[in-house]
This record gives sequence, C-alpha cells and structure tokens, in this order.
Amino acid sequence: DTGVSQDPRHKITKRGQNVTFRCDPISEHNRLYWYRQTLGQGPEFLTYFQNEAQLEKSRLLSDRFSAERPKGSFSTLEIQRTEQGDSAMYLCASSFAGVSDTQYFGPGTRLTVL
Amino acid sequence: AQSVTQLDSHVSVSEGTPVLLRCNYSSSYSPSLFWYVQHPNKGLQLLLKYTSAATLVKGINGFEAEFKKSETSFHLTKPSAHMSDAAEYFCVVRANQGGKLIFGQGTELSVKP
Repeated sequence: DTGVSQDPRHKITKRGQNVTFRCDPISEHNRLYWYRQTLGQGPEFLTYFQNEAQLEKSRLLSDRFSAERPKGSFSTLEIQRTEQGDSAMYLCASSFAGVSDTQYFGPGTRLTVL
Repeated sequence: AQSVTQLDSHVSVSEGTPVLLRCNYSSSYSPSLFWYVQHPNKGLQLLLKYTSAATLVKGINGFEAEFKKSETSFHLTKPSAHMSDAAEYFCVVRANQGGKLIFGQGTELSVKP
C-alpha cells in the first residue's frame, strides 16, 4: 500500500489554459475527496465520489471545474480556462466508507496560474 | 451547520515545554473530530480522531486530545514539545452527511530551541 498519490506535484500554467490533475487513492478505498487549500487557510471541500458516483459538489466548484472517477479507482480534476484565483494546492483524500471512514491525504498538486 | 474554530493562529513554545492548541467545535449532532498536522511541503497527516468512544484520545508522536461536550472543545496537547513538532495543525469536524471534512483555519506551532 503506497498511500494516496497525486500527479503532477506542481503545475504552472498561463491564464486561460486548461489543466488536469490525477489522484490515485489507496486501493480498495471506495470514497475519494477533492479539497482546495489556499495560502494560510485550511483545506476546503470541493467534491467527493463513492465508487463512480459523484455524490456532492461544493458551491466552490464553478462550471469551469469538473471531476470524474470513471471506474471507481483513480480520479481526475479538470479546470478549464484557468484564472489567477485558481492558484492553490489541490488535495485528494480517500477513505473506506464505514464506521471509521478516516480520510488519508495525498501530497497535493500545487497550481500556479500566471 | 458544523464548524470548528481554532482559537490561536500561531503558538510558540520552547523545546521540552508543554503544547496546547485550542479548538472549539459547533455541531448539532455527536461529532467526529480530528486533528491533522501539515509539515512544510508535506501532505496532511492524521494525528488522532474522536468518534464517540473514549473522550481522551491518544494519537501519534505523544499528542492527545480531550473531547469536552460541555465546553464544545477538543484541545490538542503534548507534554513536551520537540523541534520536529513545528508544523501547521488543523482541527477538523466531519460533516454528518457524506463525510466531507470541515477544517479550521489552522494553528502554526513554532518550537524554539
């Protein structure tokens, strides 16, 4: 078990470009979460999946953001037409739904929009 | 709605002295509470969790936290700080529906030699 992994670790892009991030959860974890963390703040929830189904989306997730988890394993988060305000650390976490349901976090993808 | 408030944005202690990081929560239901730590350029690591079992919860690296319903608090303590404890600490409550985590603003812990 290698933990939650995220790719890339860093992404620098120009305003208006599209970017896509990938998250690989701990194997057999059926829940996968995306959070966003800006400098000096705690992470904020964006969206989560149980298996393939996207069950909740935050109001923070504008129409330019889309997330998928096509086979209930890895997930992708895409941001279209990036804006400078999208610059943040994007965190992924996974858990196994149940009594404990502890979330384990990946190292994050740091996005810088120029 | 559930929320957590971390009462100190920054705490500074000397190595070998006790650590106290304060957290108050708001929840209509019996909450699940967590403390996570984030070292610079590293991912969030779970320190400990409270899920309605024992009110005194022991975590990793000598940390513990006590759930006090009457005070709606979940303060994090450690008897003796180590230089390696310097990091950002987040108090977290889990939402009742769906399991998303709601983070506090964080407390930066500095440890002086």
